[in-house]
Amino acid sequence: DAKTTQPNSMESNEEEPVHLPCNHSTISGTDYIHWYRQLPSQGPEYVIHGLTSNVNNRMASLAIAEDRKSSTLILHRATLRDAAVYYCILDNQGGKLIFGQGTELSVKP
Amino acid sequence: GAVVSQHPSWVICKSGTSVKIECRSLDFQATTMFWYRQFPKQSLMLMATSNEGSKATYEQGVEKDKFLINHASLTLSTLTVTSAHPEDSSFYICSARGPGQGLNYGYTFGSGTRLTVV
Repeated sequence: DAKTTQPNSMESNEEEPVHLPCNHSTISGTDYIHWYRQLPSQGPEYVIHGLTSNVNNRMASLAIAEDRKSSTLILHRATLRDAAVYYCILDNQGGKLIFGQGTELSVKP
Repeated sequence: GAVVSQHPSWVICKSGTSVKIECRSLDFQATTMFWYRQFPKQSLMLMATSNEGSKATYEQGVEKDKFLINHASLTLSTLTVTSAHPEDSSFYICSARGPGQGLNYGYTFGSGTRLTVV
C-alpha cells in the first residue's frame, strides 16, 4: 500500500487559514487521496477526497500537486472545533483505508 | 448524508465473556464494511474487511477465531470479541463506503465502541 507522510502536529490561530501538508511520493495513477479527521473518542469524519484536480466542499479545500506526489488540506478559517487529528490516506480502490499517524492540529483562541 | 450507526458506544465485560458490536448503515447499502481498532494515542489499525454474504478477510496478525465477523445483510455487520481478555480493551470502529459504492464517495465511520474488559 502506498504510504503517506504528515507532520506529527501543527498549531493554528482561530479564524486563520490552515494548510495541512501530506506527502505521498509512491502514489499510483489510480489512487484517490482521502482526508479524514478524528476528534477524541469519536470515529473519523470524512473531510474531502480527490484524484487529480483540486476539490472544494463546505468543510475544506484539497490542493493536489501536479505530479500528485503531495497534497494540502486547506481549512479556510480555523475554529476551535477544527482541533483534531487529520489523516491523509490513499485509497487504492481495494476498499481498504490504511491509516498513518496523522497530524494533530491544535487551534488557539 | 451517509450515516453509520455503531452500538453499543461503550461496554464493560468480564474476562472470558464474549461481546458483540453492531454496525449498521442507516441510509445506504454496504456490501463491504471495515473494522478497525484503536489503542490510546495511536492511529486506527485495520482488523478485517466484512463482506456481505461471504467470509470476512482478516489482516495479518488478527485472530479470526477471536474476532468473529458476520455480515448477514447489506446494512448490518457485527463483530464479536470472543473470550475477551483485558488486552482486548480498545476502541473499535467500523466503516463503509457510502452513500454510494463508487470511487467518488468517501468512507463513513461509526462513532466507535469503547470496550473495557475487567
